[in-house]
Amino acid sequence: GQQVMQIPQYQHVQEGEDFTTYCNSSTTLSNIQWYKQRPGGHPVFLIQLVKSGEVKKQKRLTFQFGEAKKNSSLHITATQTTDVGTYFCAATPVGTGNQFYFGTGTSLTVIP
Amino acid sequence: GAGVSQSPRYKVAKRGQDVALRCDPISGHVSLFWYQQALGQGPEFLTYFQNEAQLDKSGLPSDRFFAERPEGSVSTLKIQRTQQEDSAVYLCASSLGGGFEAFFGQGTRLTVV
Repeated sequence: GQQVMQIPQYQHVQEGEDFTTYCNSSTTLSNIQWYKQRPGGHPVFLIQLVKSGEVKKQKRLTFQFGEAKKNSSLHITATQTTDVGTYFCAATPVGTGNQFYFGTGTSLTVIP
Repeated sequence: GAGVSQSPRYKVAKRGQDVALRCDPISGHVSLFWYQQALGQGPEFLTYFQNEAQLDKSGLPSDRFFAERPEGSVSTLKIQRTQQEDSAVYLCASSLGGGFEAFFGQGTRLTVV
């Protein structure tokens, strides 16, 4: 299957610290999406990036798509306990249609 | 409905038993996806439909897995002769099509004993 790696696998931060997760694909992507999954829950869509070098912000969250469209990052500024969960990137490789493949995920724990 | 609905929410099957998992996508959504999520892992792609056409089934782990969406709406994932390694949460998602966000159902947790 498609290989989409994310690092780190786990991250523990103090509340108020920043957090970043990185997503890397071995192939060029048409687009990349980011999802958040709370423990016991299902993935919830956060954002989609399509253009090379694109940067999008949602309040404390900043999403970037690499220039080569093979990697992406999610940065959270000043984490809160409500940010706890697993963050997944989901990639659509060029030429594969509309299906998307999830990364390995980064589990975020925020210590109050 | 307001969202993607999956049933049953929980299923316990004896090894060797056949199971059928149902997904009701959001009305009007063209694309439908099935994923398998083992405990502590990310969702693994199984198969993808565009309307009634199954465009990609490369993720189905074996010929015991079969999915259909005969009228381009409700989809069923069938697993024949279940085995313990089939134990996982099976997630269904739907979207308006390429480039649109996907909405996930709550999943069906399958436990094979």
